[in-house]
Amino acid sequence: NAGVMQNPRHLVRRRGQEARLRCSPMKGHSHVYWYRQLPEEGLKFMVYLQKENIIDESGMPKERFSAEFPKEGPSILRIQQVVRGDSAAYFCASSDGGTSGANVLTFGAGSRLTVL
Amino acid sequence: AQTVTQSQPEMSVQEAETVTLSCTYDTSESNYYLFWYKQPPSRQMILVIRQEAYKQQNATENRFSVNFQKAAKSFSLKISDSQLGDTAMYFCAFTSINSGYALNFGKGTSLLVTP
Repeated sequence: NAGVMQNPRHLVRRRGQEARLRCSPMKGHSHVYWYRQLPEEGLKFMVYLQKENIIDESGMPKERFSAEFPKEGPSILRIQQVVRGDSAAYFCASSDGGTSGANVLTFGAGSRLTVL
Repeated sequence: AQTVTQSQPEMSVQEAETVTLSCTYDTSESNYYLFWYKQPPSRQMILVIRQEAYKQQNATENRFSVNFQKAAKSFSLKISDSQLGDTAMYFCAFTSINSGYALNFGKGTSLLVTP
């Protein structure tokens, strides 16, 4: 079991470009969560998805950010027209939705986005 | 909305000693889960321990144990026999079914274990 796989681990973009971060959940997990961690801060919830559905996007900025979790393939967090304030570590976590007890989230290693 | 507060930004402990990290939370729900996650310099988020609110018995995992005080909404983490590898950021987190089990994190406590 490879765990939660995130790529790229490091991404550098110039202001105005697009950033795409990918997350493959653990085998058997159909729930995906995206978090953002700014320097010296804790993780902030962004969005919760199940296959092909966005369940809760209350933590997502209203503009430029979008997420999807298609039937086939990884979950994608897309940031359009990046700005310097988007520089952060983006973590993905997955779970089985609590079918095996408490809904324990397993985290990926994160993707660090740097906007020049 | 639930809030999680960690009032100790930094702590230090000597190897083999015991240290306690504090966490308080605010919720109107009666059924929920509490977690401690560890983030070492590699930045990987690692689950340390979890507690179900309906269980009165405090959770333990080897050298890690919690003091869960439901009425006081307190959830502290005790690390016994501290090891150099315990040096990390420690995050307290809250979740419930009402939030879709999305974790709500505190700001973290940076723990340094010294020789």
